[in-house]
Amino acid sequence: GQQLNQSPQSMFIQEGEDVSMNCTSSSIFNTWLWYKQDPGEGPVLLIALYKAGELTSNGRLTAQFGITRKDSFLNISASIPSDVGIYFCAGPRRVRGAQKLVFGQGTRLTINP
Amino acid sequence: KAGVTQTPRYLIKTRGQQVTLSCSPISGHRSVSWYQQTPGQGLQFLFEYFSETQRNKGNFPGRFSGRQFSNSRSEMNVSTLELGDSALYLCASSLDSLNTEAFFGQGTRLTVV
Repeated sequence: GQQLNQSPQSMFIQEGEDVSMNCTSSSIFNTWLWYKQDPGEGPVLLIALYKAGELTSNGRLTAQFGITRKDSFLNISASIPSDVGIYFCAGPRRVRGAQKLVFGQGTRLTINP
Repeated sequence: KAGVTQTPRYLIKTRGQQVTLSCSPISGHRSVSWYQQTPGQGLQFLFEYFSETQRNKGNFPGRFSGRQFSNSRSEMNVSTLELGDSALYLCASSLDSLNTEAFFGQGTRLTVV
């Protein structure tokens, strides 16, 4: 199925470093969602973006809705061990009057203490 | 407010068997979507139910089916299991079909041997 292109696929950083990841699409999205998934658990919604150019923060996390509506960015500042996990971007696609989410492939974040 | 509850958390089945997974959405949410997550394919949309009706369906064979009850709880069924059906099955609930913010359960880890 259609997917969003997420990069990088994996990141290995030192604790305390800042993290940046992005998500792009060949088509326009009206909403961008960012999720984090811990091993063996379901994805948890971190940030939802609804307007082109919007910049939204949730603690140390900041996400931006790209002006073209074809991309979004997630930044994590001053990373800590509990930030380890897989981060997914997602966007809704309306099909036959109902919506489904399409997901990026995920960015796996590993933090070296 | 209780989150999305999926049961069971883990299942082991043999090829050819069938399996039923259950999902109880957040109280007040009427839309339930199901996703399959595998390392190779990522998160893939299975189907979405709203008010006991399937509103949207992904590209999966007819062996995958589901239903929703009047209390919004949903079940999905996989018949004639194949080894490739081994995956984490995730359920997400939303207020309604057009509400973008989807909240996931912890998932059911299905292993087919």
